[in-house]
Amino acid sequence: QVQLVESGGGVVQPGRSLRLSCAASGLTLSNHGMHWVRQAPGQGLEWVALISSDGSLEYYADSVKGRFTISRDISKNTLYLQMNSLSAEDTAVYFCAKDYGGLDYWGQGTLVTVSS
Amino acid sequence: AIQLTQSPSSLSASIGDRVTITCRASQGISSSLAWYHQKLGKPPKLLIYDASILESGVPSRFSGSGSGTDFTLTISSLQPEDFATYYCQQFTSYPYTFGQGTKVEIK
Repeated sequence: QVQLVESGGGVVQPGRSLRLSCAASGLTLSNHGMHWVRQAPGQGLEWVALISSDGSLEYYADSVKGRFTISRDISKNTLYLQMNSLSAEDTAVYFCAKDYGGLDYWGQGTLVTVSS
Repeated sequence: AIQLTQSPSSLSASIGDRVTITCRASQGISSSLAWYHQKLGKPPKLLIYDASILESGVPSRFSGSGSGTDFTLTISSLQPEDFATYYCQQFTSYPYTFGQGTKVEIK
């Protein structure tokens, strides 16, 4: 049974950094592309980033390019999102999700609040 | 970036109604489109991928159609558990944008 569990969210001051984790079980990250998607409070879904199944390719939304980095640790079967230079506009629930044409498995999300 | 525009933004419907939601892309995306629904406080759930392929375990009352720029999600007979917000997402080019969502409410 596939399970994705995000962690690492919390309250952070503007300009600071945070790293989110997504621990995967029931699947092997090296076999799948993985995404981060976020949702600001009361708003719609925003695609954030993708890492390819072989880990060689990364893609980002324009709103996070140059500030966020997606990565993974195959030995830990864990996906990461390093977020730097955070601003209030980055406040959202962050979901990790598995790629399969659509995104077929999602975690429950972790809330990031950027506030002074 | 490819923009996806859903219509309507919200709708009210009754149990048993046939419901149709459309998603229009700002440029052609072949059949690289998925549909999700999301209930409050939960992650989205994949319903349809590749525009018309029903995800495993999703009830057959859901169907998708379209290619190019115009896509449709149809619920043939609305059930109580279908009241949610629906999103389309394109997978043709990065960034993999979502539509703004369609909220389906009880009439």
